[in-house]
This record gives sequence, C-alpha cells and structure tokens, in this order.
Amino acid sequence: GENVEQHPSTLSVQEGDSAVIKCTYSDSASNYFPWYKQELGKRPQLIIDIRSNVGEKKDQRIAVTLNKTAKHFSLHITETQPEDSAVYFCAASGLGDQFYFGTGTSLTVIP
Amino acid sequence: ETGVTQSPTHLIKTRGQQVTLRCSSQSGHNTVSWYQQALGQGPQFIFQYYREEENGRGNFPPRFSGLQFPNYSSELNVNALELDDSALYLCASSSNPRAQETQYFGPGTRLLVL
Repeated sequence: GENVEQHPSTLSVQEGDSAVIKCTYSDSASNYFPWYKQELGKRPQLIIDIRSNVGEKKDQRIAVTLNKTAKHFSLHITETQPEDSAVYFCAASGLGDQFYFGTGTSLTVIP
Repeated sequence: ETGVTQSPTHLIKTRGQQVTLRCSSQSGHNTVSWYQQALGQGPQFIFQYYREEENGRGNFPPRFSGLQFPNYSSELNVNALELDDSALYLCASSSNPRAQETQYFGPGTRLLVL
C-alpha cells in the first residue's frame, strides 16, 4: 500500500517568515494530494489540494508544489501569522479514494 | 463550516466492551470514510462505505465493522475493545469515491478505553 512520509515533525518560524513542509509518497498510482490543517481539539480542515496533472497550485498565502517523478509534494506558507499555528497533515490518494496521511507537522508561528 | 456531524463527542468504555459511533454525511455526499487518529499521529484509514457497501478497508481487524444507511449516514462498531483503541475517530464524507473528491471531516468522537 501507499506510504506517506512527512517532514519536519515540528517547525517554528517568526511571524512574517515562510514555512515549508515536505511529503514523499511511494505509490506512483496516487494522483490526488490534499493538505489539512488541524487546530487543537478540532477537525482536520482542507486548506489546499493538488491533482497529478498540475505541478503547482496557489491560494493567497498558501501554495502546493508536486513533483510526480520524484514522488514528493510540498506545502508553502508565506507571510506566516500566529493563526497559522496548527498541525498540518499531507495525504495521498489513488484509485480507491482511500487517503493515506502523513504523521503531521506541528507549526508554531512566533509573534 | 462543513455539514458532517458525529456523535457522541466523547465516550469512555472499559476493555472488552462494544461501542457504536455515528456519522451523518454532508448533504449530497454518498461516501463515508472512517479514520482512527491516535494522539500525535495522522489519521489512519479504517474503511469506506459507498452507497451502503464497503468500498475498501485499511489494516484493521474484523472487530472493527461498519454500516451505511440509505440516507448515507454511517456507523462504526468496535467489539472487544482494547486499550489501544483509545483514539479520536473521524469520519469524512465525499461525493464520489472514484474521482478523488475532497473529503470533509466531522468533529470526531474521542474514545477512551480503560
């Protein structure tokens, strides 16, 4: 089955700096890659997703890049704000629509 | 805010007991997936239901079972509870299991097994 690895497990940045979280996957059949943000005690919320037919997608301060050849994808957050502090999960999905999640990155934005 | 709801929000059980968790999918969604999220970990896929039939299963033993009803709401049943079953149980609904449609999560049920 699919194996998704996520790095780093913790990340601290100064407010206004950029944050980058990286994920790799093992199954070349995976073709949908969502990113979820989970605040303490709350449900995971989709923040951005990318499909295998594009290499990059941007939504305001958030962007995701995908390299299908290398089987890795990354989340980029620019101009970070304290409210960006949360745990971020990447996921990969293939033919069966079963999502395989990474182990999460705890992001802290220091004011 | 999404329309996926789960009940109960919290539950305490003892080892060996059975538990039933419930999920109501978002309007217009016919697919429900269940996940187990242990503390500090990412969600782990348990199984998925599409139009009342199981549509895939993760690496969980048969004592984890499920059901989907004609209105697409779903139940997760866990028999013979073990201490390691303590976790946040999330359900997620989507509109099509084959098109990698976005999955929207419910708030979860936090289960504690003593």
